[in-house]
Amino acid sequence: QSALTQPASVSGSPGQSITISCTGTSSDVGGYNYVSWYQHHPGKAPKVMIYDVSNRPSGVSNRFSGSKSGNTASLTISGLQAEDEADYYCSSYTSSSTRIFGTGTKVTVL
Amino acid sequence: EVQLVESGGGLVQPGGSLRLSCAASGFTFSGYSMNWVRQAPGKGLEWVSYISSSSTTMYYADSVTGRFTISRDNAKKTLYLQMNSLRAEDTAVYYCARDVVEYGSVLFDYWGQGILVTVSS
Repeated sequence: QSALTQPASVSGSPGQSITISCTGTSSDVGGYNYVSWYQHHPGKAPKVMIYDVSNRPSGVSNRFSGSKSGNTASLTISGLQAEDEADYYCSSYTSSSTRIFGTGTKVTVL
Repeated sequence: EVQLVESGGGLVQPGGSLRLSCAASGFTFSGYSMNWVRQAPGKGLEWVSYISSSSTTMYYADSVTGRFTISRDNAKKTLYLQMNSLRAEDTAVYYCARDVVEYGSVLFDYWGQGILVTVSS
């Protein structure tokens, strides 16, 4: 149960687009369309931003989008805003019916 | 409004035990699977355990198998995590999170605010 691999940090200027990758295996990310992404501000509860690879929950800005190719999923934040600065985690369903998180990515708005 | 409120955390010695609770309100608790997720200081999120809505199915992370037990009381709308043989590496903020897998999607759609567990002598 090794964590999914994410870049430790990604940064961008306001208004730019950034993409966070999440790499797993055929037993998790590549095997199911059950990848979700969570935004986590320190001291607060995580918030789901994308589920089932590319679906956006009600109330989440359409600046957030998700995709997947093979064993790698991606989260794109377009029109980057100061409020987007947070930690982001991917998560996947696994072949053991468990869940697994990514290593986490710190997003910095320059 | 969906609310999940954790309790039962605190300081415990290595080898000790602790039981966390998660009180649910604002939704039909018995209709949803639930999970525990933790975050150690300076580390990322780690999935810990899952329990189905009717308690027929439970899963655990390798790191806690044999030491932690997840359970629920649907009448009391409460989720539990019994933690035994605690180790320093179990020190973390523990979150309960609702799961919608039984409705065809896989995500943690609501989370509690978290409760701190510290394992230290």
